Amino acid sequence: GESVGLHLPTLSVQEGDNSIINCAYSNSASDYFIWYKQESGKGPQFIIDIRSNMDKRQGQRVTVLLNKTVKHLSLQIAATQPGDSAVYFCAESAGGTSYGKLTFGQGTILTVHP
Amino acid sequence: EAEVAQSPRYKITEKSQAVAFWCDPISGHATLYWYRQILGQGPELLVQFQDESVVDDSQLPKDRFSAERLKGVDSTLKIQPAELGDSAMYLCASSLGGLPADEQYFGPGTRLTVT
Repeated sequence: GESVGLHLPTLSVQEGDNSIINCAYSNSASDYFIWYKQESGKGPQFIIDIRSNMDKRQGQRVTVLLNKTVKHLSLQIAATQPGDSAVYFCAESAGGTSYGKLTFGQGTILTVHP
Repeated sequence: EAEVAQSPRYKITEKSQAVAFWCDPISGHATLYWYRQILGQGPELLVQFQDESVVDDSQLPKDRFSAERLKGVDSTLKIQPAELGDSAMYLCASSLGGLPADEQYFGPGTRLTVT
């Protein structure tokens, strides 16, 4: 498979641990944020989203936190599993007349060790 | 489960040659996106279609890239002539509508290598 992200930030955790992946965004007008997971050789897959009028949203094993004051987004994965190993991207959208245009961040490589 | 289809999955071409990629979105999805993903970076939007109309091609290098979605269903992205710097993954995505909250579903991508 391909190797995405030779120079991306990396996070290594043990199976069962909780993982926290961070993302800083730059556009203060962004009002919608998404986390994507990209496995080797595949396209990005939607994980969870959050609107700017919220500061926390929970899904199955995942939680997204949004701090608009410092323009910071985080993804928490509970009880991380080997299948969670992938590159994780945050994406932001300014909505309005920008349609669905997403701006992706750099990405973080998550490696989960059994 | 419906998926976005792309072909070919891999393409090797020499610089100055023409190359084309095809995308078939999920049935019923009005919005189609083409992204370019350079190794080690996040995807970058090249062009967005709403049905057969282009709504955003501000990042598309129009001197060499072209995209069409003639019947508002499948789409083709073409590069002519290809340059070494075009080596990347080309991703297609589709969504029901064009709003930011409309989930984008990505295809597996076409890995282009220009030699």
